[in-house]
Amino acid sequence: QVQLVNSGGGVVQPGGSLRLSCAASGFTFSSYGMHWVRQAPGKGLEWVAYIRSDGSTKYYADSVRGRFIISRDNSKNTVFLQMNSLRVEDTAMYHCAKEISAYDWGYFDYWGQGSLVTVSS
Amino acid sequence: EIVLTQSPATLSLSPGERATLSCRASQSFIRYLAWYQQKPGQAPRLLIYDTTIRATGIPARFSGSGSGTDFTLTISSLEPEDFAVYYCQQRNNWPLTFGGGTKVEIK
Repeated sequence: QVQLVNSGGGVVQPGGSLRLSCAASGFTFSSYGMHWVRQAPGKGLEWVAYIRSDGSTKYYADSVRGRFIISRDNSKNTVFLQMNSLRVEDTAMYHCAKEISAYDWGYFDYWGQGSLVTVSS
Repeated sequence: EIVLTQSPATLSLSPGERATLSCRASQSFIRYLAWYQQKPGQAPRLLIYDTTIRATGIPARFSGSGSGTDFTLTISSLEPEDFAVYYCQQRNNWPLTFGGGTKVEIK
């Protein structure tokens, strides 16, 4: 069965950095695009970043572009989110999510349980 | 960026009743809309994609419709496990965007 296991969250000061990981299993990881989606406490969902199956294409939300970097290691079935210059407003639960289709339709059929990132002084 | 506006913010209904959730888009598109269900402490679950297609394992009481700027999720007869928050999401344009959510609560 498909599993996405998030790790790497924690508490960081404004301006700091954090790296999130998402280990995938149960499907051919190298065939699917992957996304990060976040949810601030008590708020709705916000798409953050996308990476194509081969890592050749990446997209970012305006709110994180230039600060966050999405990457993947297909040999380790893992997707990463490097978060730099963190702001208080980046505080959220961060979920990795799998593309529903190998053709990158832009929908998410499996989600990780999330990593909580708290940015606070 | 396509802005999705969901209404109502909260829907108070009893089990067995019909739920109708609305999602209005700031730009018109044909069908590239999905619906997710989220329960407290859980990750979202994909219910519907491409406006009308039920995801794997989703019961037939969930249905989607719409086009242009107006989309609807209908739950024909609410089961106790359906009380949750529902989000719409578009994939017509980057960035992908979500609506603000509709909470379906027990009346």
